Amino acid sequence: NAGVTQTPKFRILKIGQSMTLQCTQDMNHNYMYWYRQDPGMGLKLIYYSVGAGITDKGEVPNGYNVSRSTTEDFPLRLELAAPSQTSVYFCASSLLPHGTANTGELFFGEGSRLTVL
Amino acid sequence: SQKIEQNSEALNIQEGKTATLTCNYTNYSPAYLQWYRQDPGRGPVFLLLIRENEKEKRKERLKVTFDTTLKQSLFHITASQPADSATYLCALRNSGYSTLTFGKGTMLLVSP
Repeated sequence: NAGVTQTPKFRILKIGQSMTLQCTQDMNHNYMYWYRQDPGMGLKLIYYSVGAGITDKGEVPNGYNVSRSTTEDFPLRLELAAPSQTSVYFCASSLLPHGTANTGELFFGEGSRLTVL
Repeated sequence: SQKIEQNSEALNIQEGKTATLTCNYTNYSPAYLQWYRQDPGRGPVFLLLIRENEKEKRKERLKVTFDTTLKQSLFHITASQPADSATYLCALRNSGYSTLTFGKGTMLLVSP
């Protein structure tokens, strides 16, 4: 199992450009998440999905869009890049968080470092 | 407002000592709390979960306590090693919600 795979690992964008961060998982997890991590600020939830076709906003969704057409894939789209979107982006997945049978742990990808100039 | 607070200053300890990291929360009713380890340039990795009705959990050299009255979790690493040096994040899932909220993390530095 590869786990959670994110591409690209690094990207530099100009202000106003668009791009998509790709995320795929091979663990058949229902839940998928996108977080951003800024220095000293911790992980902030951008969007999440509880299954194919269902997405919901997190704490900081402005400037981003997502889709979930399959269980495996959860791409994050930046439409008009702004310097404030310079960050490290992490995709994660988990089984259903409820119940005593599982820990609800998140499995993270290695991150995508995005710089907007 | 809701807050999850971890010591922002790095914790420096000597090899062999016990490291204790703190996670305090405000205005949450956690269903459970998790601890993750994050190495530089890597994604966080899950370590332990403790549920609201549990006081303590252990895994090898790791121990987590959870005090819902004090609204605090403590994370202990006994017999610490330089390889334990990393940033440790606490995260909690609020009752009735399906997502985790993370603290900012505390960096642990274990010197030989």
